[in-house]
Amino acid sequence: DAKTTQPTSMDCAEGRAANLPCNHSTISGNEYVYWYRQIHSQGPQYIIHGLKNNETNEMASLIITEDRKSSTLILPHATLRDTAVYYCIVSNRRGDDKIIFGKGTRLHILP
Amino acid sequence: DTGVSQDPRHKITKRGQNVTFRCDPISEHNRLYWYRQTLGQGPEFLTYFQNEAQLEKSRLLSDRFSAERPKGSFSTLEIQRTEQGDSAMYLCASSVQAYEQYFGPGTRLTVT
Repeated sequence: DAKTTQPTSMDCAEGRAANLPCNHSTISGNEYVYWYRQIHSQGPQYIIHGLKNNETNEMASLIITEDRKSSTLILPHATLRDTAVYYCIVSNRRGDDKIIFGKGTRLHILP
Repeated sequence: DTGVSQDPRHKITKRGQNVTFRCDPISEHNRLYWYRQTLGQGPEFLTYFQNEAQLEKSRLLSDRFSAERPKGSFSTLEIQRTEQGDSAMYLCASSVQAYEQYFGPGTRLTVT
């Protein structure tokens, strides 16, 4: 599976959009980009995934560059409850196989 | 809605003792996964089941670890002769043929 690079930590003001970047320059054509997050003392939570096209759901938007070497997770109106570690994962599996987590980005939402 | 549940939530044990954790997946989810997470790290895959069959085991799963999923429903993870290095959060997740895995709250193990 391709390796991902994420910033160790980020801050965002409450109510603003939080933009979390992820580099996956070695991604191959059949690999998906997944995002999970883990709020303190809880298990990880699936957010969104995509292959080529941008995706949006009730939680977030996923923007994948045309060359697919990087992506951005956007939380449109961050709240204090969005403070968590966010994991970017690439995998050529359908998602129901094992997940290889990195260290993720620790996002702090500031009041 | 009953999500993935794990029991116990916390376990403190002395080195050398055996411990067993239980995971109840979401009903109808045929895949069940175990992960381990130490402080400051992302979760690490241990093993997974499709129904009652154990399909993959990580090298992290030493001979002291055993997992079962009788009848393809709940699963147990047993650690024999615990060591201090086994102290971690043990996470269970389940999925159906879909893209996302649903995680439980975890069992935090402390070996003294």
